Amino acid sequence: GQNIDQPTEMTATEGAIVQINCTYQTSGFNGLFWYQQHAGEAPTFLSYNVLDGLEEKGRFSSFLSRSKGYSYLLLKELQMKDSASYLCAVIDSNYQLIWGAGTKLIIKP
Amino acid sequence: EAGVTQFPSHSVIEKGQTVTLRCDPISGHDNLYWYRRVMGKEIKFLLHFVKESKQDESGMPNNRFLAERTGGTYSTLKVQPAELEDSGVYFCASSQVVWDSPLHFGNGTRLTVT
Repeated sequence: GQNIDQPTEMTATEGAIVQINCTYQTSGFNGLFWYQQHAGEAPTFLSYNVLDGLEEKGRFSSFLSRSKGYSYLLLKELQMKDSASYLCAVIDSNYQLIWGAGTKLIIKP
Repeated sequence: EAGVTQFPSHSVIEKGQTVTLRCDPISGHDNLYWYRRVMGKEIKFLLHFVKESKQDESGMPNNRFLAERTGGTYSTLKVQPAELEDSGVYFCASSQVVWDSPLHFGNGTRLTVT
């Protein structure tokens, strides 16, 4: 079967750095998305990785290793507004999006 | 550019009643998706339209769910008759035809069946 694993919840301190991991087992791979979802709101697009390596976008970076079926989202200089759920989603060989359950990130002052 | 809009934002109905959810995608987006998220669970795919055609409806749980996209613009998702397990947040998302184009989500409709 297809599976996306993420930690359920993480806690970090304002100003610090946090890494949210995502491992996947899917039938094929055509890219991986990270989305941010604040409580009660729609998911919003953060990043897309299809090749191995690190993609940096401001305070957020996303890393992919296809051979390991692994990605992480790195958030630097954490702000209180970064408290949200972070969703990992993989495009499989049928171009279907397979979603993880999301990681709830709690930022403390 | 207007985003994906969904209506209503909340709906509370009794078991056995009918509810119709509406989604207006971003103009020019041929791909339209319906998803459902139950509290604490992952987002579950329901179906995918390309223009007015159903590309994939493998995620539709049963025949109580009916989705339409007449004219390839807005879409409706009808649940008839609603059951308790249908409660959740129903998200609509749209994207351009290119397969790696990110999804743009609406704010969702929170459905509560009592």
